[in-house]
Amino acid sequence: DGGITQSPKYLFRKEGQNVTLSCEQNLNHDAMYWYRQDPGQGLRLIYYSQIVNDFQKGDIAEGYSVSREKKESFPLTVTSAQKNPTAFYLCASSIEGDRVNVAKNIQYFGAGTRLSVL
Amino acid sequence: SQELEQSPQSLIVQEGKNLTINCTSSKTLYGLYWYKQKYGEGLIFLMMLQKGGEEKSHEKITAKLDEKKQQSSLHITASQPSHAGIYLCGALSGNQFYFGTGTSLTVIP
Repeated sequence: DGGITQSPKYLFRKEGQNVTLSCEQNLNHDAMYWYRQDPGQGLRLIYYSQIVNDFQKGDIAEGYSVSREKKESFPLTVTSAQKNPTAFYLCASSIEGDRVNVAKNIQYFGAGTRLSVL
Repeated sequence: SQELEQSPQSLIVQEGKNLTINCTSSKTLYGLYWYKQKYGEGLIFLMMLQKGGEEKSHEKITAKLDEKKQQSSLHITASQPSHAGIYLCGALSGNQFYFGTGTSLTVIP
């Protein structure tokens, strides 16, 4: 079955620790996205990538880093510089990420990773 | 900045009742997307609208786009407990993709 797989489902971070959230897709989509969801704030874009080996900062990129070495993978690292990392993290992908073709920009989401601080 | 306002923020209805959720954009819409989310899970894509006046239906859920008002409505007919969750609209406007803050729907059996 085609889809987007996020792992782990739950993650705990200790003070000063970097943690990496995994996102893999087998939809052959060019574009991938990371969002952070906090209660009452909707989805906020952290990073997005329109193509392999390229990515752009979203609205709240500080304290996060990403890589896009393979088309199917877009891991997100939450660094120790992110002082308030507790949130629900969602990964998504779309056929294209040019934000022009309405149909090709439909974003499909993974099941999410809930990150908490110990 | 682009804002997508959803109303109401939350809704509690008796099973079998109809309901409507609205999503209003502050800028011109080129595409409008509706998603459903159950607590602690990812977003499920429901429907996409891209032309003024366009209306789409899936089972008992109907969405419509009013281009002039820059607004979309999501209507559920004869609600069921399975309809409960958070409904979010997303919009493509200019070179940006935005999400609303969501409407939480509770259906009482």
